[in-house]
Amino acid sequence: SQTIHQWPATLVQPVGSPLSLECTVEGTSNPNLYWYRQAAGRGLQLLFYSVGIGQISSEVPQNLSASRPQDRQFILSSKKLLLSDSGFYLCAWSAVQRNQPQHFGDGTRLSIL
Amino acid sequence: QKEVEQNSGPLSVPEGAIASLNCTYSDRGSQSFFWYRQYSGKSPELIMSIYSNGDKEDGRFTAQLNKASQYVSLLIRDSQPSDSATYLCAVVNSGGYQKVTFGTGTKLQVIP
Repeated sequence: SQTIHQWPATLVQPVGSPLSLECTVEGTSNPNLYWYRQAAGRGLQLLFYSVGIGQISSEVPQNLSASRPQDRQFILSSKKLLLSDSGFYLCAWSAVQRNQPQHFGDGTRLSIL
Repeated sequence: QKEVEQNSGPLSVPEGAIASLNCTYSDRGSQSFFWYRQYSGKSPELIMSIYSNGDKEDGRFTAQLNKASQYVSLLIRDSQPSDSATYLCAVVNSGGYQKVTFGTGTKLQVIP
């Protein structure tokens, strides 16, 4: 069966520090991968999606970036965090076939001080 | 801008009652619809998928789809306090890239 791992679970970072969140998927090949952010009490905001290695599309301009160095690895990064980057970050995958649901990792709760 | 609308709630139902959660969407070409459950502080969990008009039942959950009215609903029978969560409606957009648009969710409270 497929599993998705996301870490760390919680992270407290000072303003201006760098960020790296990692997500890996097991049990499937060539998944579509996604990064979302969910602010407290708010809906899911799609940040990035990827349909293959090195293929990244950004939905919202911001100081975050994403990379997909391997088929089942998706990384979210920032060079300098802002206070507004606080939130609940979720990685998700879906099968490459059309009309498939997304499956979420456990998420990373990021607090910026 | 393709939209998915849900009443934010909270929807309060007594234990054992039927909870009815509703969702409307704007993309007339959408073919795939999902319901997720999200407990406070946790990530969304897929609970139902529906692709055809009509009803789809899975245990205490029934998803209903009416593409002509662009309406999706989730019924939870015999509601339990453990069903208290936020329920997200998700719709796969038509078009080349299959972006999923999520509603902001309906908070359900099951009162013992």
